[in-house]
Amino acid sequence: DAGVTQSPTHLIKTRGQQVTLRCSPKSGHDTVSWYQQALGQGPQFIFQYYEEEERQRGNFPDRFSGHQFPNYSSELNVNALLLGDSALYLCASSLVGGETQYFGPGTRLLVL
Amino acid sequence: AQSVTQPDIHITVSEGASLELRCNYSYGATPYLFWYVQSPGQGLQLLLKYFSGDTLVQGIKGFEAEFKRSQSSFNLRKPSVHWSDAAEYFCAVGAWAGTASKLTFGTGTRLQVTL
Repeated sequence: DAGVTQSPTHLIKTRGQQVTLRCSPKSGHDTVSWYQQALGQGPQFIFQYYEEEERQRGNFPDRFSGHQFPNYSSELNVNALLLGDSALYLCASSLVGGETQYFGPGTRLLVL
Repeated sequence: AQSVTQPDIHITVSEGASLELRCNYSYGATPYLFWYVQSPGQGLQLLLKYFSGDTLVQGIKGFEAEFKRSQSSFNLRKPSVHWSDAAEYFCAVGAWAGTASKLTFGTGTRLQVTL
């Protein structure tokens, strides 16, 4: 039973560029959430997708957008990258309305 | 809005000693509470969760946590720490808006284990 997978594992970008991160949920799960974890901090909720729609959003600017595909996988897009976007981006999957989220290994983004 | 406080940024214990990591939450309804562990450079692994019922919950790797509503706390404990327990520990509270949910995390407690 495959867990949550994310790609790529590491990424280096420069300010102003755009980035796309990918996530495949745990088998059987239909809901994907994205979190940003800055160095030395706890994860911060970005948004959650279910049925290909954004269902809930945290306090992040519109530069952060997402997409969910019919196979439940998801992408996180960040436009106009800032140095402060450097972080570990975590994807979590769950069943809709389910209480427990399971996390992937994350993608570490460095913005120079 | 919900929030989580982990008062201890860094804790050092000797291998074989007992451990207690503190977590206090703020949430207007009955909370869904979680403890996750993160090894360096890794994602989050679920240790245990509390939804309802017995206030003492057992998790993986010998961890347990006790929910105390009167103190708004959900402290994590382990009777005897192993060197492999060294990691970052995060407490989280779950909140729902309809069927949509999100986790709010504390800032974490880094556990160091001395031999």
